[in-house]
Formats: sequence, C-alpha cells, structure tokens
Amino acid sequence: GAGVSQSPSNKVTEKGKDVELRCDPISGHTALYWYRQSLGQGLEFLIYFQGNSAPDKSGLPSDRFSAERTGGSVSTLTIQRTQQEDSAVYLCASSLAERSYNEQFFGPGTRLTVL
Amino acid sequence: EDKVVQSPLSLVVHEGDTVTLNCSYEVTNFRSLLWYKQEKKAPTFLFMLTSSGIEKKSGRLSSILDKKELFSILNITATQTGDSAIYLCAVRSGGSYIPTFGRGTSLIVHP
Repeated sequence: GAGVSQSPSNKVTEKGKDVELRCDPISGHTALYWYRQSLGQGLEFLIYFQGNSAPDKSGLPSDRFSAERTGGSVSTLTIQRTQQEDSAVYLCASSLAERSYNEQFFGPGTRLTVL
Repeated sequence: EDKVVQSPLSLVVHEGDTVTLNCSYEVTNFRSLLWYKQEKKAPTFLFMLTSSGIEKKSGRLSSILDKKELFSILNITATQTGDSAIYLCAVRSGGSYIPTFGRGTSLIVHP
C-alpha cells in the first residue's frame, strides 16, 4: 500500500504568482488534513476534509488560500498571489476517519519558496 | 484553546546518551496523545497514548502518559546519529478532530 504522496516536492515561485499543491491520500482514508510548517515552527493547521462533509477551513490564514478535494480522494491546495511569508513546507496527512483514536499518516510535503 | 508545550526546544547529545523529551498539554476532554519523528519533511508516527501509566515501547524508544499531571515523556536510550530529528507531540481532544501540535524538540546526536 502506497502512503500519502504530495507533489511537487519543491516549488519555487515568484511573488504574486498562484501555486497549486497536490495531495494523494492513502486509499480508503476519509479524513484529509493540510498543515503548514514554517522554519523552526510547529505544524499549523490549515484545512480539514472528512468524507462528504463541508471542510473545516478555520485554519486558512487568508482568502488567498483555498483547497478542494475531488471525489473524496485527491486534494489540491491553491495559494493565490503568493507572498514571501507563504514560504514554508506544506504537509498533507490522511487518516482512516476523524475519530480521535486514529493516527494521521503524513506525506513527504511540498517545500514552497516564494522569491 | 488547546495548548501543547514541548521541552526542551533543542537538545544536542553524543551517541550512547539517553534523552528524555517532554510534552505537557492543556486540552478539554483529552482523547489521545501522539508522538511523531520528523526527519527532513514528513513526520512519521511513533506512538499513540490514551491511558495513564502504560508504557509504549519500540526498540530503544519508549513513551508514557500521565493524565493526572497532563504530560508525556519520550525516552530514547543509547542514542544513535539516526535518531537526529525533530520530535513532535500532538494531542487530540474529544471536542475537535484536529490535533494540536507542539513546536517540537530538535534532537541532534553527534557521533
């Protein structure tokens, strides 16, 4: 069984450009999370998807950030008009369900650098 | 607001040393505490703890939870250079499906 995969692994972009980051969760995992990790910081929650329920977007830092999850599987995180402070590692995780006893499995992350 | 505090923030030891990493928390309706090891980018799962006083062990790593004093420790014995990583602690509460992460402890093991 493949783990969580993310692409690209690295992305360098210019300030003001839009970027799309992709996450393929483990097959059968209904819960999907996006986090951001800046240098030396912990994981900052961004958005959470669970099945067909409306996503929890409470962690998105601004309206330049959006995410979707198509068909309950692949998710795309979009950052519009990128700023230098968006530079970070973006991690995706999935779990079997939202219940508190299921651990999350993380993807390898996308390192985003905004010049 | 749930809070998870890890200490120390960083630790430098030599191979063979034993280290103890701390994680204290304040959450409502505690459900579980998780430890992850993060090398390069992806955190990998180590332990999930739900009950006090029961030690979880995997090789040279072990962890225990104290729900009365609201903390957990992660022990690594006979450290090796491959143990160098950031160790993350996260807590899940019954009121939220989103775990709260600490800032991590950066462990560097010198040969």
